[in-house]
Amino acid sequence: SQTIHQWPATLVQPVGSPLSLECTVEGTSNPNLYWYRQAAGRGLQLLFYSVGIGQISSEVPQNLSASRPQDRQFILSSKKLLLSDSGFYLCAWSVYNQPQHFGDGTRLSIL
Amino acid sequence: QKEVEQDPGPLSVPEGAIVSLNCTYSNSAFQYFMWYRQYSRKGPELLMYTYSSGNKEDGRFTAQVDKSSKYISLFIRDSQPSDSATYLCAMSDSNYQLIWGAGTKLIIKP
Repeated sequence: SQTIHQWPATLVQPVGSPLSLECTVEGTSNPNLYWYRQAAGRGLQLLFYSVGIGQISSEVPQNLSASRPQDRQFILSSKKLLLSDSGFYLCAWSVYNQPQHFGDGTRLSIL
Repeated sequence: QKEVEQDPGPLSVPEGAIVSLNCTYSNSAFQYFMWYRQYSRKGPELLMYTYSSGNKEDGRFTAQVDKSSKYISLFIRDSQPSDSATYLCAMSDSNYQLIWGAGTKLIIKP
């Protein structure tokens, strides 16, 4: 069966520091991969999605970037975090026209 | 106007009650409809997935889609305290990019 792993679960970072969040999927090949951010009490905002290695589409201009160095690995990065980057970050995968499945997220707090 | 509207709640009901959760949408091109359940500090978990109009039942859960009214519903029968969570609706057209509701917080009182 397919599983998705996201880490870390919680992260506290100072303003201006770099960021790297990692997501890996097991049990499937060539998945579509997604990064979302969820603000408290709000729906999910799509940040990036990828349909293959090295193929990244950005939905929201910001100081975050994403990379897909391997088929089942998706990384969210920032060179310098802002206070506004605080939130709950979720990685998801899907195949073909099937629904997306989510990891347990990373709660990021910027101080 | 948002593409998908969902009452944020909270919706509080006694244990054993039938729960009705709803979303309305404006884009008539939507044809894939999903309901996700999200517990606090966890990722959303897929509950129900339907294509086009009609009903789908899975245990205590029933999803209903009315494309003519642009309205979808999730019914929970015999609600349990463990059903307390935030319920998110999501939908898409043929390009599979999901448009999300804001989520409804549901509280089942023992």
